[in-house]
Amino acid sequence: DTAVSQTPKYLVTQMGNDKSIKCEQNLGHDTMYWYKQDSKKFLKIMFSYNNKELIINETVPNRFSPKSPDKAHLNLHINSLELGDSAVYFCASRHGQLGNTIYFGEGSWLTVV
Amino acid sequence: QQQVKQSPQSLIVQKGGISIINCAYENTAFDYFPWYQQFPGKGPALLIAIRPDVSEKKEGRFTISFNKSAKQFSLHIMDSQPGDSATYFCAAREGDDKIIFGKGTRLHILP
Repeated sequence: DTAVSQTPKYLVTQMGNDKSIKCEQNLGHDTMYWYKQDSKKFLKIMFSYNNKELIINETVPNRFSPKSPDKAHLNLHINSLELGDSAVYFCASRHGQLGNTIYFGEGSWLTVV
Repeated sequence: QQQVKQSPQSLIVQKGGISIINCAYENTAFDYFPWYQQFPGKGPALLIAIRPDVSEKKEGRFTISFNKSAKQFSLHIMDSQPGDSATYFCAAREGDDKIIFGKGTRLHILP
């Protein structure tokens, strides 16, 4: 069973469109994250949620809006997509109180044309 | 400002050799230093981690050396194998939730 699953894995879309990436974790973790990995492999945290509450928002443009309907899900909605948004977006989770390990999903490869 | 500086950017090592990746940090509030391994098309996965009150941690062929006074830590891969070819990220934890990653090292082990 996949611990952190995100969909879609690949997404090609035009500039100006709105798209969403969904993430679910079945590990019972309290904390979930979105990371962005650019073409140079640099991994940068975007958001962190703990029990559905936003904890970290790393100066991400407000075109990016995370939503956590419950602690097992953290979705990412992106409005008015720009060329520079092309990247791999990783969802991740951590137990919170009892664990330091962050578990990553396999990534969603977004290409904006 | 890059809070965790990682080098080299890429590394080629012969099979059986020792791979060494270095990281440096400035923030003395960091309290946990993991290394993650990422294969192409996959998400990063925890490889090994250390706390700053320990100078060395070894798990199989992988060793972290930690120098608190110099604010540096490194990953050593002994007897490097072609299957170790991947991108390696050092990282540091700030507070409860924020893990900051270095820029990564692409390691290639020659067969």
